[in-house]
Amino acid sequence: EVRLLESGGGLVQPGWSLRLSCAASGFTFSSHAMSWVRQAPGKGLEWISTISGGGDKTFDADSVKGRFTMSRDNSKYTLYLQMNSLRAEDTAVYYCAIINTRRGYYYQFDFWGQGTLVTVSS
Amino acid sequence: EIVMTQSPATVSMSPGEGAILSCRASQSVSSNLAWYQQRPGQAPRLLIYDISIRATGIPARFSGGGSGTDFTLAISNLQSEDFALYYCQQYDRWPLTFGGGTNVEIK
Repeated sequence: EVRLLESGGGLVQPGWSLRLSCAASGFTFSSHAMSWVRQAPGKGLEWISTISGGGDKTFDADSVKGRFTMSRDNSKYTLYLQMNSLRAEDTAVYYCAIINTRRGYYYQFDFWGQGTLVTVSS
Repeated sequence: EIVMTQSPATVSMSPGEGAILSCRASQSVSSNLAWYQQRPGQAPRLLIYDISIRATGIPARFSGGGSGTDFTLAISNLQSEDFALYYCQQYDRWPLTFGGGTNVEIK
């Protein structure tokens, strides 16, 4: 059974840093590209970052570029999101998701974790 | 950035009825279009990809259609578990973008 379990969320002050983790199981982690998608309270979904299966390619949304860094440790079946210089508008539930890839292109989000809430407030 | 616009924002239906949700892209996304369902308090779940292919385990009462910039998600014979939020998403080009969602609520 595929499982994705996010952790690391919490309440932080503006300007602080936080690292989210996503523990994967039930599939060959290194064979799958992964993404982070967030959802502000009462709002829609926003893609923020994608990493290739080998970890050598990353793609980031402009809203987080230069502040957030996505990485992975395939030996630990774990995905990370390092979030620096956090702002109030980063407040959201952060989901990790398996993103489908075919022939080097990136497609739909096949499976999602349950998410972890990050609140940025003073 | 490709902007995805969903309509209506909310649709009120009775169990057993059918609903059609719309999604429009600001430019052509070819066949690179997916739909997701999000029940209250839950993570999104993939329903449809490549416009019309149902994901594993998705019932046949869900069907996707359209092309280019205009797409639809049809839900027939609405069941209690179908009352939820639905999002479309394009993966034709970066950044990957979602529509604002349509809430299917019980009338």
